[in-house]
Amino acid sequence: AQSVAQPEDQVNVAEGNPLTVKCTYSVSGNPYLFWYVQYPNRGLQFLLKYITGDNLVKGSYGFEAEFNKSQTSFHLKKPSALVSDSALYFCAVRDMDTGRRALTFGSGTRLQVQP
Amino acid sequence: NAGVTQTPKFQVLKTGQSMTLQCAQDMNHNSMYWYRQDPGMGLRLIYYSASEGTTDKGEVPNGYNVSRLNKREFSLRLESAAPSQTSVYFCASSGRGFGTGELFFGEGSRLTVL
Repeated sequence: AQSVAQPEDQVNVAEGNPLTVKCTYSVSGNPYLFWYVQYPNRGLQFLLKYITGDNLVKGSYGFEAEFNKSQTSFHLKKPSALVSDSALYFCAVRDMDTGRRALTFGSGTRLQVQP
Repeated sequence: NAGVTQTPKFQVLKTGQSMTLQCAQDMNHNSMYWYRQDPGMGLRLIYYSASEGTTDKGEVPNGYNVSRLNKREFSLRLESAAPSQTSVYFCASSGRGFGTGELFFGEGSRLTVL
């Protein structure tokens, strides 16, 4: 079975500081990994994905994520946080070696950026 | 460019009533999905349709039925609503199935069952 853990319910960071939102995953095969962002009363928006290749993936709005196979992690990062980055962030995984065509989502991490 | 459109946005039901959530996408995507979002639990897959004419159960299918009416439309039906089905429901679509392509989500439908 595939699963995702987001160990922090909330992350607080000051504007201008770097931010990290943590994600670890479990799959039996090789993973496809995704990050999504959700603003209040809106649907989820795609930020970035890791399929294969370079372990550092760059995405929308200056976000990036680093795939670490040995630690089974896919942490979301941004060098300098903005107040407008405040939102709910979801990590998701799919096991690419199984026939299961489903993304499994983590429970979400609320990012609060203080001015 | 509308993307994924869900109706209704809000609905209040009494226990035992039935209703259908409608979803339509205009991106010519093959695959469509229904998720529910509950606090602290993230998104859980209810049903999905890999292509027109096929549907499959997800993690939490009990109490729901779906219909892939055509390539554009994928509806979710609650035959006899229960308070445990109070949730926010999201429809999503993707071009080439889950694995390589990202999902595009609708704005959500907030359902309350009394």
